[in-house]
Amino acid sequence: EAGVTQFPSHSVIEKGQTVTLRCDPISGHDNLYWYRRVMGKEIKFLLHFVKESKQDESGMPNNRFLAERTGGTYSTLKVQPAELEDSGVYFCASSQMRQPGLWQYFGPGTRLTVT
Amino acid sequence: AQSVTQLGSHVSVSEGALVLLRCNYSSSVPPYLFWYVQYPNQGLQLLLKYTTGATLVKGINGFEAEFKKSETSFHLTKPSAHMSDAAEYFCAVSDNNNAGNMLTFGGGTRLMVKP
Repeated sequence: EAGVTQFPSHSVIEKGQTVTLRCDPISGHDNLYWYRRVMGKEIKFLLHFVKESKQDESGMPNNRFLAERTGGTYSTLKVQPAELEDSGVYFCASSQMRQPGLWQYFGPGTRLTVT
Repeated sequence: AQSVTQLGSHVSVSEGALVLLRCNYSSSVPPYLFWYVQYPNQGLQLLLKYTTGATLVKGINGFEAEFKKSETSFHLTKPSAHMSDAAEYFCAVSDNNNAGNMLTFGGGTRLMVKP
């Protein structure tokens, strides 16, 4: 079984540019999560999809961030325009059912550097 | 609101020595607790979890953790460290009021193992 995959693994962009991160969850997993770790800080929740619907986007920092999950499969997270403080590692995770206590499978993350 | 505190951002032990990584949480309802490990250039991997039942939880690679409600702790231990245990470890919490299962993470502890 393939795990959660993320693309690209690294991205270096200039302030003001646009970047799109992609996450492919484990096949059959309805729940998809985005998290972010800014350097030196803890991993923080961004948002949660159930299939193609946004269940909770309370962690999205501002309207420069747009997440989509077309057809309930892969998800993209677009940052437009990118700012210096957006640098960090963006993790995607997925889980099969919405069940309290069920763990999430994480991808390797995308390291975003905004210069 | 939930929070997780991991005491010590860096812990160094000798090979063969006891590993103790500390995690304290705050939650207004019974928590679900997790330890994840991140090896270099890899995603977060679940080590172990506590949901209900036995408070001593055994995980992969010889790790275990004990849920102590009175101390609001979920410390991770391993009797004898191996060089391959060098990684970053994250404690996380969710709760049964959180139907979305979003995780709240601690700041992480980087474990170094000296030969």
